[in-house]
Amino acid sequence: AQSVTQPDIHITVSEGASLELRCNYSYGATPYLFWYVQSPGQGLQLLLKYFSGDTLVQGIKGFEAEFKRSQSSFNLRKPSVHWSDAAEYFCAVGVITSYGKLTFGQGTILTVHP
Amino acid sequence: DAGITQSPRYKITETGRQVTLMCHQTWSHSYMFWYRQDLGHGLRLIYYSAAADITDKGEVPDGYVVSRSKTENFPLTLESATRSQTSVYFCASSEEANLGNQPQHFGDGTRLSIL
Repeated sequence: AQSVTQPDIHITVSEGASLELRCNYSYGATPYLFWYVQSPGQGLQLLLKYFSGDTLVQGIKGFEAEFKRSQSSFNLRKPSVHWSDAAEYFCAVGVITSYGKLTFGQGTILTVHP
Repeated sequence: DAGITQSPRYKITETGRQVTLMCHQTWSHSYMFWYRQDLGHGLRLIYYSAAADITDKGEVPDGYVVSRSKTENFPLTLESATRSQTSVYFCASSEEANLGNQPQHFGDGTRLSIL
């Protein structure tokens, strides 16, 4: 079965600084990979996804993520963080045979200091 | 605007009570999902449904019951609530199982507290 690990429970950055959130997955083949963001009291919003092709994917709100097969990683990056990016971020993996089911990581809470 | 609606947004109940969480989507998506979100666990799949009258267990189904008589509705019932079921519950839907084309769309969640 697939699994996802987000090693950082909580990250704090200053506004304008760069950001990288880590995500490692375990699965025997190439999975579908996703990053979702959750603002307080809200549902999850899809930031970006990867399923094939270019390993660097662009998403909404200026985020990007890079799939590295050799490291089983799908890290999320943003060059300059805004205060509105403060939220909880979830990495998720899906497999084509799983009827659309997703397996989520534990989440990383991002705090942005002014 | 079309979307996915969960009700209630907040619920407090007592152990042993039956409680039903509602989920309604206006897209006519085939696939619907129920997750629970707990600190340190992320989101875990409780049940999912591929179409009306087709449901299956996810990772943590014990203590929950689902039904799907209509495509747009996917209620989740706790038949005899326990404190361990205190959580935030999210419903999601997607048009098809091909995740590359159609990712899941999430509701805003139901915060359930069981005393």
